[in-house]
Amino acid sequence: AQTVTQSQPEMSVQEAETVTLSCTYDTSESDYYLFWYKQPPSRQMILVIRQEAYKQQNATENRFSVNFQKAAKSFSLKISDSQLGDAAMYFCAYRSSRVYNTDKLIFGTGTRLQVFP
Amino acid sequence: DAGVIQSPRHEVTEMGQEVTLRCKPISGHNSLFWYRQTMMRGLELLIYFNNNVPIDDSGMPEDRFSAKMPNASFSTLKIQPSEPRDSAVYFCASSLTGTGAFGNEQFFGPGTRLTVL
Repeated sequence: AQTVTQSQPEMSVQEAETVTLSCTYDTSESDYYLFWYKQPPSRQMILVIRQEAYKQQNATENRFSVNFQKAAKSFSLKISDSQLGDAAMYFCAYRSSRVYNTDKLIFGTGTRLQVFP
Repeated sequence: DAGVIQSPRHEVTEMGQEVTLRCKPISGHNSLFWYRQTMMRGLELLIYFNNNVPIDDSGMPEDRFSAKMPNASFSTLKIQPSEPRDSAVYFCASSLTGTGAFGNEQFFGPGTRLTVL
């Protein structure tokens, strides 16, 4: 069974600085998808960024980028120029490719990010 | 697009009562997911439907929980009888399956916070 581990329960960063959130996963599959979701105090789950395992190029969405290391099964999220609105819980998630006929998302336990002015 | 709609947003009930949570997925989506979020267990998938058919209900905790999807625009999650340990935030999510690599992005509703006294 696949597992997702986020080893940092809490992180903090100063506004305008850069922070990296860690995520590792365990799988025997070769094709899969990885996601980072943001959950602000409003509870709404918001997709931040996504990565296909067969793509070597790291995904980037504006200030958000990932460092995807397939061999190490690592998928970290980097937030550049941090803003107060980035304060939230961040969840890493794994999904098998459609080859395995499932859309199930497996989530990590989350990292709470605090942003200080 | 109104997004995924869940009702009620908050529910407080007494142990032993029946609770019904409702979800309206995004129009046109063909997969629907029910998740539960607790401090102890994080985000866990309870059940998901594809084309109104339950595909994976392995996460449903016990017989007290049941889910239905009578049509493409409505789903319910019922707990009968409810217990204090069922207190959690319940999320519904929907996606469009089979439209390409990231056609499977899951869009989450705002969640229902359930408190069982």
